[in-house]
Amino acid sequence: GAVVSQHPSRVICKSGTSVKIECRSLDFQATTMFWYRQFPKQSLMLMATSNEGSKATYEQGVEKDKFLINHASLTLSTLTVTSAHPEDSSFYICSARAPDRDYEQYFGPGTRLTVT
Amino acid sequence: GQQVMQIPQYQHVQEGEDFTTYCNSSTTLSNIQWYKQRPGGHPVFLIQLVKSGEVKKQKRLTFQFGEAKKNSSLHITATQTTDVGTYFCAGSGNQFYFGTGTSLTVIP
Repeated sequence: GAVVSQHPSRVICKSGTSVKIECRSLDFQATTMFWYRQFPKQSLMLMATSNEGSKATYEQGVEKDKFLINHASLTLSTLTVTSAHPEDSSFYICSARAPDRDYEQYFGPGTRLTVT
Repeated sequence: GQQVMQIPQYQHVQEGEDFTTYCNSSTTLSNIQWYKQRPGGHPVFLIQLVKSGEVKKQKRLTFQFGEAKKNSSLHITATQTTDVGTYFCAGSGNQFYFGTGTSLTVIP
């Protein structure tokens, strides 16, 4: 089946620094990837849709200058949290849409970000 | 804005009992998807429903999409401890939204 990886799985950073999270589709090419944020015991909130070779589409209320998304290839999308603050601490999950299944999303294992 | 709510938020059942979670959208959905997230894990796709009134089954799981395409349900028959997790619906309307989730605990 389709496998999506994320790196790192956990990261602790100091307030004011930037953190990059990678999302890779390992055995398929993904023209579309999604970035979600999940708070403890809460639902997933879609942050942005990442399309290979074009600008990401951000959901309402998500600061594009703070959460930089780059989808440079068909297997890699990155999310950079710039000038991180403690309130950015969260579980960030990416997903990728398989090319032959236009609705099914395969999720990565997630990245736990803690900003101190 | 569009909202997708699920009830109940939490459900504890004895192993062998049935379980149902309900998903309600404030707007009409073009389709509804269901995901399962185990504790500490990531969401795993279960199924998609597209047609009004559609019913699909996967072994002990029965998924239903409402006639008005604004609600859906997931029913598990004779729960097992492996069913533990949070079940999310996710719908496409104006945007793609995950529901609030129902956390299922199965007591052996």
